[in-house]
Amino acid sequence: DAGVTQSPTHLIKTRGQQVTLRCSPKSGHDTVSWYQQALGQGPQFIFQYYEEEERQRGNFPDRFSGHQFPNYSSELNVNALLLGDSALYLCASSPDGDNSPLHFGNGTRLTVT
Amino acid sequence: QKEVEQDPGPLSVPEGAIVSLNCTYSNSAFQYFMWYRQYSRKGPELLMYTYSSGNKEDGRFTAQVDKSSKYISLFIRDSQPSDSATYLCAMRGSWGKLQFGAGTQVVVTP
Repeated sequence: DAGVTQSPTHLIKTRGQQVTLRCSPKSGHDTVSWYQQALGQGPQFIFQYYEEEERQRGNFPDRFSGHQFPNYSSELNVNALLLGDSALYLCASSPDGDNSPLHFGNGTRLTVT
Repeated sequence: QKEVEQDPGPLSVPEGAIVSLNCTYSNSAFQYFMWYRQYSRKGPELLMYTYSSGNKEDGRFTAQVDKSSKYISLFIRDSQPSDSATYLCAMRGSWGKLQFGAGTQVVVTP
């Protein structure tokens, strides 16, 4: 049973460019959340998707947007990249309507130069 | 003041010792408490998940929650070099986003 899978594993972009990160949730999970983890810090919540809608959003600018597809997979898009966007981007999934904890993927390491 | 405070360490212990980790929090709405382990270049891996105050044991791991003091702990018995990692506490209300601590780096020396 595959867990949460993310692609790509690493990415290098130039300031001002746009990036799309992808996530497939764990089998049986329908809720996807995205987190940003800067070096030496704990993950920070970006947003959560359920039934293809953004259900909750953290304190991130509109440059950060997402999408959830009918098969529950998800994308995170970041526009107009800044040097400060360099981080590990983590996707997590869980079953909705359940108090189960989040299961995380191994993340995408984004470097903005 | 951060909602969740966690000492970043590093915490260095000899193999076989007990590792003691803790977090404090300020939001009394937090109801669910988790501990994750994160190896370098990997995503967080769930270790413990608790709801009520008290102790929960799973193998070498024991999680404690004291809601009255807004304090949670994780103990690792008989520590091994493979336990060397960053340990993240996380918590949330009845639903929604997780609030993480900054993580504590643990080094277990042979």
